[in-house]
Amino acid sequence: EPEVTQTPSHQVTQMGQEVILRCVPISNHLYFYWYRQILGQKVEFLVSFYNNEISEKSEIFDDQFSVERPDGSNFTLKIRSTKLEDSAMYFCASSGDRSFTEAFFGQGTRLTVV
Amino acid sequence: AQSVSQHNHHVILSEAASLELGCNYSYGGTVNLFWYVQYPGQHLQLLLKYFSGDPLVKGIKGFEAEFIKSKFSFNLRKPSVQWSDTAEYFCAVSATSGTYKYIFGTGTRLKVLA
Repeated sequence: EPEVTQTPSHQVTQMGQEVILRCVPISNHLYFYWYRQILGQKVEFLVSFYNNEISEKSEIFDDQFSVERPDGSNFTLKIRSTKLEDSAMYFCASSGDRSFTEAFFGQGTRLTVV
Repeated sequence: AQSVSQHNHHVILSEAASLELGCNYSYGGTVNLFWYVQYPGQHLQLLLKYFSGDPLVKGIKGFEAEFIKSKFSFNLRKPSVQWSDTAEYFCAVSATSGTYKYIFGTGTRLKVLA
């Protein structure tokens, strides 16, 4: 069964450092998403990406965040200067069609900012 | 604003007990509805989905949910839970047009006692 894969599974970084979270969506999917889940809280939407551009972003997704699909298979989330409050589980998701299929989620990257 | 409410944050049941988890949403347009499950240490997995048609949908592992449009509800049910159903359950909503994002509820942590 096809799946969304994310690397690394866990990353620890110092405050102020840049991190890149990587995702390989399902190969024929067209819509890509990043969500995050702060420990004990709900899953929050960060950004959606379609046709090589951001479709929508939340207020969380400020100038410190960026996304890229550099090579047609990977989908990355970059945080330029991490803050303690960026510590969370970050989930990548992809879907083949926005209206008729569900989003498939990766296993997540747990980011810990110290 | 779009929102999803899950009223039960923690539920403890004995094996073979029946389960019903509430989910209500607030959205003015047509929606797709989902229940995802997150087993400890794992990623979000789709339990079931509603796009259109029969409002009673059946998912994996014996779960079902009923969409009641007049009540803006999509409650999850299982007639007899097992210890292996211990997990966190998330209700989610997406619009069928306009926005791409999923809105998640806060989740319900279910513990099934053997």
